[in-house]
Amino acid sequence: GIQVEQSPPDLILQEGANSTLRCNFSDSVNNLQWFHQNPWGQLINLFYIPSGTKQNGRLSATTVATERYSLLYISSSQTTDSGVYFCAVDASGTYKYIFGTGTRLKVLA
Amino acid sequence: DTEVTQTPKHLVMGMTNKKSLKCEQHMGHRAMYWYKQKAKKPPELMFVYSYEKLSINESVPSRFSPECPNSSLLNLHLHALQPEDSALYLCASSPGVEWAEQYFGPGTRLTVT
Repeated sequence: GIQVEQSPPDLILQEGANSTLRCNFSDSVNNLQWFHQNPWGQLINLFYIPSGTKQNGRLSATTVATERYSLLYISSSQTTDSGVYFCAVDASGTYKYIFGTGTRLKVLA
Repeated sequence: DTEVTQTPKHLVMGMTNKKSLKCEQHMGHRAMYWYKQKAKKPPELMFVYSYEKLSINESVPSRFSPECPNSSLLNLHLHALQPEDSALYLCASSPGVEWAEQYFGPGTRLTVT
């Protein structure tokens, strides 16, 4: 089945710093999403981005489907950005979402 | 409204109990999902419903029994669970399985004693 790997696995930032999170996947995909899981377990939908570039405030994302990767950019990080960031993809034709390994982010005040 | 609700928030049950988890959405979505998440791991897909029919079962043990009574509701019936089934159970919905922008509920934290 499709493999989904995220890097880095852990990231510690000072408040105000910028960061780039990466998601690599091993097969072509129909759907790709980025989520933020807060400390209470809620998965918050950040971007639905099977291809192209999107921006939402301090966050932006780019997916290059032909090269099988997606990037999530966080600018001017805040302590409330702490948590785990997941990308999730479904390989073309399977309709099964597979979550990546996650990036655990901690933003220090 | 992009809200998916789940009840209960927390559940403690013995290995001989029968309980049910409930999930509801009013976004008109036609696909609904159950995921299981163990601590410090990513969510893992359990079941997919499309137009109220079970379309994917990821080889889940029969002690987990899903049900989709209508397009807005999804249940997960639990019976004779094991302690290793303790986890966060997440429900999600999407417009369809092809256009699968998923929205997640807050989850039910299940402890099996």
